[in-house]
Amino acid sequence: GAVVSQHPSWVICKSGTSVKIECRSLDFQATTMFWYRQFPKQSLMLMATSNEGSKATYEQGVEKDKFLINHASLTLSTLTVTSAHPEDSSFYICSGSPGTSGYEQYFGPGTRLTVT
Amino acid sequence: KQEVTQIPAALSVPEGENLVLNCSFTDSAIYNLQWFRQDPGKGLTSLLLIQSSQREQTSGRLNASLDKSSGRSTLYIAASQPGDSATYLCAVFMFSGGYNKLIFGAGTRLAVHP
Repeated sequence: GAVVSQHPSWVICKSGTSVKIECRSLDFQATTMFWYRQFPKQSLMLMATSNEGSKATYEQGVEKDKFLINHASLTLSTLTVTSAHPEDSSFYICSGSPGTSGYEQYFGPGTRLTVT
Repeated sequence: KQEVTQIPAALSVPEGENLVLNCSFTDSAIYNLQWFRQDPGKGLTSLLLIQSSQREQTSGRLNASLDKSSGRSTLYIAASQPGDSATYLCAVFMFSGGYNKLIFGAGTRLAVHP
């Protein structure tokens, strides 16, 4: 149980275009979803936290107009990277939590984004 | 600001060795500490979770300890196997910036060779 999927698993896009990443909780309702970014050989950095039906809360230094997060249902959250640039190339991982505390987090397999 | 540090950054050992991975954190006001495994290009697998009131947790060949007051945790892996090769991440769960969050270390990349 507690499976989270992400789609796509990897994507290549051209600089200036936008790309959407989906995160789905397959067998539980994710009241809260988290989006992380991981650069090579670095730790996961929390980008934003979203509760279903509410606006996402972004971490300091993360541009909310560049990284659009939508959590429209209890099983789906999307991250859209707008006007992507090569420095946005990274590994993006989402997690879902059944509650609002974030105590239990189930992680997706990640999405590798390469911007050329 | 909470900072989580993992030492060593990388480790290469022959099969069968017992090994210790270290994690330290600067703010002891944590709810719990978790150890995760991450295979290359993959997501995270939770290995062990230690509540702030606990001293250790064990699962199979893995044993994790927590010394909250000194801000340290260790992950002990007994009789290492090539299949243990992965990156091991330590993360603390705490209230920060108005809500709860997981704060990760940069990981220890482990290679176990036959």
